[in-house]
Order: sequence, then C-alpha cells, then structure tokens
Amino acid sequence: GAGVSQSPSNKVTEKGKDVELRCDPISGHTALYWYRQSLGQGLEFLIYFQGNSAPDKSGLPSDRFSAERTGGSVSTLTIQRTQQEDSAVYLCASSKDRPNTGELFFGEGSRLTVL
Amino acid sequence: QKEVEQNSGPLSVPEGAIASLNCTYSDRGSQSFFWYRQYSGKSPELIMFIYSNGDKEDGRFTAQLNKASQYVSLLIRDSQPSDSATYLCAVVQAAGNKLTFGGGTRVLVKP
Repeated sequence: GAGVSQSPSNKVTEKGKDVELRCDPISGHTALYWYRQSLGQGLEFLIYFQGNSAPDKSGLPSDRFSAERTGGSVSTLTIQRTQQEDSAVYLCASSKDRPNTGELFFGEGSRLTVL
Repeated sequence: QKEVEQNSGPLSVPEGAIASLNCTYSDRGSQSFFWYRQYSGKSPELIMFIYSNGDKEDGRFTAQLNKASQYVSLLIRDSQPSDSATYLCAVVQAAGNKLTFGGGTRVLVKP
C-alpha cells in the first residue's frame, strides 16, 4: 500500500481481555514506531524498531505491553489483561531511515476502548 | 522535567496574524528537531525540520533553533483558518534514535 496501514481502526474490549493491534509500514521503511495518544494529549513513545537491531522498549508502560516485528516489516502490539487506562489511540509510524534524517509517516491509528 | 515541553494553549490568533509556538527540550545532546501538525481526529504530519542553529523558512512557516538555550520555535505567518490544528514539537534524543514528542500546542485561527 501507499501508506502505513493499521488494524483494527476501532477496538472495544472488556477489562481483562487481551488485544492485538497490527501495523503494516510503508514498504522499504526500516524504522517503525508505536506511540499512544490519550484524548487531548501528546504522543507517548512506546517502542521503536530499527532494522535488525534490538528494539528500544523503554516506553512500554508495563509488562502487559509487548510488541514484535516479523521479517522487518509487519508489527504487532499486544496488550494483555487490558485496563481502562489503556484506552487511547495507538499510532504506528515508519520512516525510511533513522528518524534523525527523515520524517515519520503515521498510520490512521487504532482507537482502543476498554470498558 | 518533561523531555519536550510545549504550552498546551489554545493559542488564539486572528486571521492574517503571526502565530508563535515555543518548545523546550531537556536533552542537551539532541541534534534533530521537527514540527508536526495534527488536525483533530487525524494523524500527525511533518511540516518542518531543523538541524542547525538559526532560522529555516518554508513558505509561511519559519522554524528557529537555539541549541544553547535548548529552545525551538515555529512561526506561522499570515495565519489562515486552515492552520487551526495542534502543533507537536518532536526531538530526536542524543542516545539512540527515539523521537520524543511534546504535548502539543493547540492553535485557533479566527476569521
């Protein structure tokens, strides 16, 4: 596709359930980011993948959050035992190079609502 | 102290005026600085980047960087109602390549 694709666009789940959010970056982009944006807030960094390097997981808020990137392309963000405070828009972004040399292209986001 | 700080606003400016947005960052070693625009309900999009001290102009937008003061700003000249959005400052930190965003400044341009 032409842009970053995320699915699902909307997810409503019950507290305690697990959810998986998917990101398909722009073809050829080596860097992939996950951010979280709560209503009216800025972007909270979660995790960063760059090529085959070990990911930077420093932004993951708890061990309920994990992410993987298979084959250097598609990434999945998994949230286990969801809590109401996990409700937010989860944004994925990719870039062709390391971010200090180029721009990030964002997907439309996955809106998660935990009841 | 937050890594990247912005005034949340809203910054209200009349159409045709200059909107001035400010951003400060804590990591003195940061080298790359970006301004993203986010319309309500949409994803952020890049409008400017700046790497060197001084001013960088692109159309109606000017980014200003002062590394000694750890300060980056964005000026929007001849503001238009279509400029009404949230403007996010982003900084690539010296360690690693983590792109950290500020909380954003909401700008309202009134006709």
